[in-house]
Amino acid sequence: SQTIHQWPATLVQPVGSPLSLECTVEGTSNPNLYWYRQAAGRGLQLLFYSVGIGQISSEVPQNLSASRPQDRQFILSSKKLLLSDSGFYLCAWSGGVGSQPQHFGDGTRLSIL
Amino acid sequence: AQSVTQLDSQVPVFEEAPVELRCNYSSSVSVYLFWYVQYPNQGLQLLLKYLSGSTLVKGINGFEAEFNKSQTSFHLRKPSVHISDTAEYFCAVSEGDYKLSFGAGTTVTVRA
Repeated sequence: SQTIHQWPATLVQPVGSPLSLECTVEGTSNPNLYWYRQAAGRGLQLLFYSVGIGQISSEVPQNLSASRPQDRQFILSSKKLLLSDSGFYLCAWSGGVGSQPQHFGDGTRLSIL
Repeated sequence: AQSVTQLDSQVPVFEEAPVELRCNYSSSVSVYLFWYVQYPNQGLQLLLKYLSGSTLVKGINGFEAEFNKSQTSFHLRKPSVHISDTAEYFCAVSEGDYKLSFGAGTTVTVRA
């Protein structure tokens, strides 16, 4: 069966520091991969998605970037964190588009001080 | 582009009572519909999905949802809730591409 791992679970970082969040998927090949941010009391905002190695699409302009160095690895990064980057970050995968549901990791709670 | 409206932000309900969570969507094309549940500090878990066929869809944990094309709705129901159903619930819609649009969520609080 397929599983998705996200780490770390929680992270506290000072303003201006770099960020690297990692997500890996097991049990499937060539998944579509997604990064979302969930602000407190709000829905999910799609940040990035990827349909293959090295293929990244950005949904909103921001202080963050994403990379997919391997088929089942998706990394969310920042060179300098802002206070507004605080939130709950979720990685997801799907086997395709449209009718294929997305499956989520357990998320990373990021707090910026 | 599609959009999703969850009509209730918070739904308090007593244990063993029924619950209905309302979801309306807007789209100019055929859609696929999903309900997810999120427990505190966890990711989203798929409850059920509507792709085609029967408009009544059964999911995990005793939940079901009914797709109504004319009213562009996909309401979620459970006939008898448990304390463990306390969570946030998200309705989501896909028009067939990569993008899944989510509603703002409905927080269900089950009281004894």
